[in-house]
Amino acid sequence: DAKTTQPTSMDCAEGRAANLPCNHSTISGNEYVYWYRQIHSQGPQYIIHGLKNNETNEMASLIITEDRKSSTLILPHATLRDTAVYYCIVRVGRNSNSGYALNFGKGTSLLVTP
Amino acid sequence: AAGVIQSPRHLIKEKRETATLKCYPIPRHDTVYWYQQGPGQDPQFLISFYEKMQSDKGSIPDRFSAQQFSDYHSELNMSSLELGDSALYFCASSARLLGETQYFGPGTRLLVL
Repeated sequence: DAKTTQPTSMDCAEGRAANLPCNHSTISGNEYVYWYRQIHSQGPQYIIHGLKNNETNEMASLIITEDRKSSTLILPHATLRDTAVYYCIVRVGRNSNSGYALNFGKGTSLLVTP
Repeated sequence: AAGVIQSPRHLIKEKRETATLKCYPIPRHDTVYWYQQGPGQDPQFLISFYEKMQSDKGSIPDRFSAQQFSDYHSELNMSSLELGDSALYFCASSARLLGETQYFGPGTRLLVL
């Protein structure tokens, strides 16, 4: 799976949008970008994933650049409960002969402040 | 919606003892994954099962074994426990026909004394 690079930490004011970047310059054509977050010692929580189109759900938006070498996770109105470590993970898609295990990198520690 | 269930949530063992962790996947999910997260570390993939067969293997020690049963629940068996095995153990499940997005359980915190 492609390697990802994320900032170690970020701050965001409550109520503002949190924009978390991720670089995955070696991503392959059949690899998806997944985002998970982990709130202190809880199980990682799935947020969103995409292949090449921008995606939006009730939690966040995912913007993928046209060359697919980077992406940005957007939390439109961050709250204190969004304080967590956010992981950007590149993983093969369906019908792959490779495993689907998630390779958690270092992630970005997001602190939402009042 | 039903989530992944893990038991026990907390476990304390002595060195050289054995431990068994259980994972009950989301209904109709056919794949189970096990991850280990040491103190201050990121989750690391151990092993996965699809339709009761081992599908992928990560950094699982030889002292550990796992299996998936006919009802799709999975058990991680850990023998000759070492202090370094103290960690959070997460189970995740997914459904191959639904794109393999993994959903995680709350974890089992294992402390080896």
